[in-house]
Amino acid sequence: GENVEQHPSTLSVQEGDSAVIKCTYSDSASNYFPWYKQELGKGPQLIIDIRSNVGEKKDQRIAVTLNKTAKHFSLHITETQPEDSAVYFCAASGPPGTASKLTFGTGTRLQVTL
Amino acid sequence: EAGVVQSPRYKIIEKKQPVAFWCNPISGHNTLYWYRQNLGQGPELLIRYENEEAVDDSQLPKDRFSAERLKGVDSTLKIQPAELGDSAVYLCASSLVRGTSGSYEQYFGPGTRLTVT
Repeated sequence: GENVEQHPSTLSVQEGDSAVIKCTYSDSASNYFPWYKQELGKGPQLIIDIRSNVGEKKDQRIAVTLNKTAKHFSLHITETQPEDSAVYFCAASGPPGTASKLTFGTGTRLQVTL
Repeated sequence: EAGVVQSPRYKIIEKKQPVAFWCNPISGHNTLYWYRQNLGQGPELLIRYENEEAVDDSQLPKDRFSAERLKGVDSTLKIQPAELGDSAVYLCASSLVRGTSGSYEQYFGPGTRLTVT
């Protein structure tokens, strides 16, 4: 089955700096890669996603890049703010036929300091 | 628009006792998922429903876990009997799946934090 690895496990940045979280996946047939933000005591919140037919997607301060050849995808947050502090999870969807089955990474705890 | 609703939010039980979790998905979403999230880990799929049908329950420990989604809307996940290792957050998610290939956005509820003592 699919295996997703996520790095780093913790990340501390100063307010205004950029943060980058990286993930790799194992199944070359995976075609959907969402990112979730989880605050303490809450469920994961979908913040951005990308499909395998595009290489980059941006939404205000958040961007995701995908390298299908290397089976890497990354989350980029620019101009970080204290409210960006949370745990971020990447995920990958298995091949068609197992539609909508997400395999998650182990999470990155992002702390934005003043 | 209301999001995914789950109850209870917290549950503390003794081992060997039964427990049930309830989920109401986003209105109109035909696909419902139950995930388990252990401390410091990402969610892991337990079961996925498309309408009333359980289409993927390969990760559900069927000796003690059961689930149902009557009428293709609300769902209940049950554990009987609970074990110490079942302590985790149980998350429900839903999505609107429109085809047989590809994947679709999943939206999560707040989860139920289960503690088994």
